[in-house]
Amino acid sequence: GAGVSQSPSNKVTEKGKDVELRCDPISGHTALYWYRQSLGQGLEFLIYFQGNSAPDKSGLPSDRFSAERTGGSVSTLTIQRTQQEDSAVYLCASSSRPAGGLAGELFFGEGSRLTVL
Amino acid sequence: KQEVTQIPAALSVPEGENLVLNCSFTDSAIYNLQWFRQDPGKGLTSLLLIQSSQREQTSGRLNASLDKSSGRSTLYIAASQPGDSATYLCAVDGNQFYFGTGTSLTVIP
Repeated sequence: GAGVSQSPSNKVTEKGKDVELRCDPISGHTALYWYRQSLGQGLEFLIYFQGNSAPDKSGLPSDRFSAERTGGSVSTLTIQRTQQEDSAVYLCASSSRPAGGLAGELFFGEGSRLTVL
Repeated sequence: KQEVTQIPAALSVPEGENLVLNCSFTDSAIYNLQWFRQDPGKGLTSLLLIQSSQREQTSGRLNASLDKSSGRSTLYIAASQPGDSATYLCAVDGNQFYFGTGTSLTVIP
């Protein structure tokens, strides 16, 4: 696609429910990143995909968080048993990056705003 | 672990002024450095990408420089306009992208 697309743009859920956030990167971009931004805060790294594998998932805050990427394209971030502290904007970004090589320019989606009541 | 710092955290200037935003990083073994702007409630928009072999990049009124040896980058904005008001973030690429906490810029008409 022309840009990084994220859905839903807004999600309100009740505490304890599971949510899925979707990211559709720019076509041909091999690297995909998930970040979280809480209100008034900086970006918190969650996970990085190179193709379908995740060489770095060190930022996932707990085992309630998981992510996958299929076909080297779309990625989903799943949060199980949501808590109020999970409320944030979840940002996805993609870049072209040959394995072990120089990353190209990083492009972001508009984010998914999650509110846990 | 790479740490990225941006100074100042907030800046307010009158329209027309030239200004400099600073970004410093602790590990000089980086691939690229990229500057972004973020408007309230929006995602990040890429402004400039400087590859590790480059020293600067220019786009319109924006000029970014990179000094890897000293772990510093600056973003120069010429003739600032109210539309430049946003948060500016730098990110360094060292296998994953490490972000600073940003400089919130307000340009007063």
